Amino acid sequence: NAGVMQNPRHLVRRRGQEARLRCSPMKGHSHVYWYRQLPEEGLKFMVYLQKENIIDESGMPKERFSAEFPKEGPSILRIQQVVRGDSAAYFCASSRGDSPLHFGNGTRLTVT
Amino acid sequence: ELKVEQNPLFLSMQEGKNYTIYCNYSTTSDRLYWYRQDPGKSLESLFVLLSNGAVKQEGRLMASLDTKARLSTLHITAAVHDLSATYFCAVEFMNSGYALNFGKGTSLLVTP
Repeated sequence: NAGVMQNPRHLVRRRGQEARLRCSPMKGHSHVYWYRQLPEEGLKFMVYLQKENIIDESGMPKERFSAEFPKEGPSILRIQQVVRGDSAAYFCASSRGDSPLHFGNGTRLTVT
Repeated sequence: ELKVEQNPLFLSMQEGKNYTIYCNYSTTSDRLYWYRQDPGKSLESLFVLLSNGAVKQEGRLMASLDTKARLSTLHITAAVHDLSATYFCAVEFMNSGYALNFGKGTSLLVTP
């Protein structure tokens, strides 16, 4: 029973490039959440999605960041024109909606 | 403003000793979670506390919830080195959708 799968585990991008982070939820889970963790900090909520719908994006920066969870395939967190301040660990979590979140291993983004 | 505050943020303790980590939150909550994170790893769910007076125990860890005081504690009994990790509390606030609000974490180091 595979858990939440995130890839890549590590991603290096130069300033101005695009970063795409992928997340496949646990089997049977249709709710996906993205969180960002800065060094020495807790996780900050970014966005909550269900299949083909964004439910809550109150934690997403207004520019350069977008997320989707298509009918088929993984959820994607996309960061355009990355800047150094985007360097962080990005965690995806999934649930059935009424159950605790299960977290993936994260994608560690480094912007050089 | 929704706030989750943990203390202490750093804790060094000897094996065999007992200690308590505190988690305060700012407003009415639906659920409170405790997670463990090892360096470079994802978050592992430890406890979910759903109601006032809830107490859960797993091995040397015991978590409790006082919703009137808006306080949760994570008590460590007879610490062992394997408990060294960062512990996060996370609160699901009413009317915030399904977003979890995390504390900054408590970095625990258990020494011989």
